[in-house]
Amino acid sequence: DAGVIQSPRHEVTEMGQEVTLRCKPISGHNSLFWYRQTMMRGLELLIYFNNNVPIDDSGMPEDRFSAKMPNASFSTLKIQPSEPRDSAVYFCASLLGRNTGELFFGEGSRLTVL
Amino acid sequence: GIQVEQSPPDLILQEGANSTLRCNFSDSVNNLQWFHQNPWGQLINLFYIPSGTKQNGRLSATTVATERYSLLYISSSQTTDSGVYFCAVLDNYGQNFVFGPGTRLSVLP
Repeated sequence: DAGVIQSPRHEVTEMGQEVTLRCKPISGHNSLFWYRQTMMRGLELLIYFNNNVPIDDSGMPEDRFSAKMPNASFSTLKIQPSEPRDSAVYFCASLLGRNTGELFFGEGSRLTVL
Repeated sequence: GIQVEQSPPDLILQEGANSTLRCNFSDSVNNLQWFHQNPWGQLINLFYIPSGTKQNGRLSATTVATERYSLLYISSSQTTDSGVYFCAVLDNYGQNFVFGPGTRLSVLP
């Protein structure tokens, strides 16, 4: 299996622009997580899907952030409009079941908002 | 919610030395993992270990769930072991993996 695949790996954009990050989970995994990592706050959970349904989005910072999972093999995290404080590494991870098995991470998307 | 602590926060070793990293958690868990974040930022799975002991080469881990802690042992450390080691536990509702703050390990040649 190719593992969790994220794109883009790096994105540099200007404040106010829309950013879309993409994730393909491991085939057969039913749970998908979006995390954000910064030096100040460490790894923070943004949102969690189970069977394509958002279960917990309490970590989404504000209305500028939205996430979708239209099918079992694809998810997006969108930031509109982006701000410099959104600069971080965004990780996607997938899990076999709701609380079963190992969590596997993608390689992350490094976002820089100027 | 569940709290996860890791110690020590930073560790500097000479190549070849052994070390023990600790993870304490505040409530019962049924899923615990250790990850290594390498200098390139990749999060690598080390162990899935909600209880018991596992070994993989120079690394081993033990979780004592009843006492709410887990230990990661690194023997004969190498420079490639450098990075941050995270412990993560699944919260009581089975919804969120809570990560500890990590232990930053530097192995010097």
